Amino acid sequence: AQKVTQAQTEISVVEKEDVTLDCVYETRDTTYYLFWYKQPPSGELVFLIRRNSFDEQNEISGRYSWNFQKSTSSFNFTITASQVVDSAVYFCALRGMDSSYKLIFGSGTRLLVRP
Amino acid sequence: DAGVTQSPTHLIKTRGQQVTLRCSPKSGHDTVSWYQQALGQGPQFIFQYYEEEERQRGNFPDRFSGHQFPNYSSELNVNALLLGDSALYLCASSLKASFNQPQHFGDGTRLSIL
Repeated sequence: AQKVTQAQTEISVVEKEDVTLDCVYETRDTTYYLFWYKQPPSGELVFLIRRNSFDEQNEISGRYSWNFQKSTSSFNFTITASQVVDSAVYFCALRGMDSSYKLIFGSGTRLLVRP
Repeated sequence: DAGVTQSPTHLIKTRGQQVTLRCSPKSGHDTVSWYQQALGQGPQFIFQYYEEEERQRGNFPDRFSGHQFPNYSSELNVNALLLGDSALYLCASSLKASFNQPQHFGDGTRLSIL
């Protein structure tokens, strides 16, 4: 079975603080893809990053960084120097090679950045 | 370059009615997937259409059906609506040949059942 767990339901930080969103996944596939999406109040899911199971390099994109660790089945997302515009719901998702385009989403983490 | 467009934006129906939601994929994409997102939850996969056929289906009853047209646009139909069908319905498009590429999502249709 495939599963994604985002244990943090809601996080509240003050602007300029760093924040890490946790994601733990379960899959029996040896090849799979992990994704992070951002969902602002408008509803659209905005793609942030994709990582395949063979690439464990961490990635940094501006204030965003991702830490992928196969040993702990985790794919955590850190926002450095958070801004009010970062407020949204963030979803981690998994896609296995046997499931075509089906994405398995976690329940999401609502991030509130206060000024 | 137009992204994924969905219509209508909002819809209110009553129990027992039927509804049709529409989706136009991003330009160049040939595969459409539909997801249901209940309030406070992550999206749940309903089904995926490619080459005008349903290729994969999630754990949803037969009341949920769909269609894909030759221009790759798609419809989601739900019959005998239940209160529990109230949700945000998201359409995502992708290119079949590029499995490792992310799906692109529309803004969704918010369906309320009274």
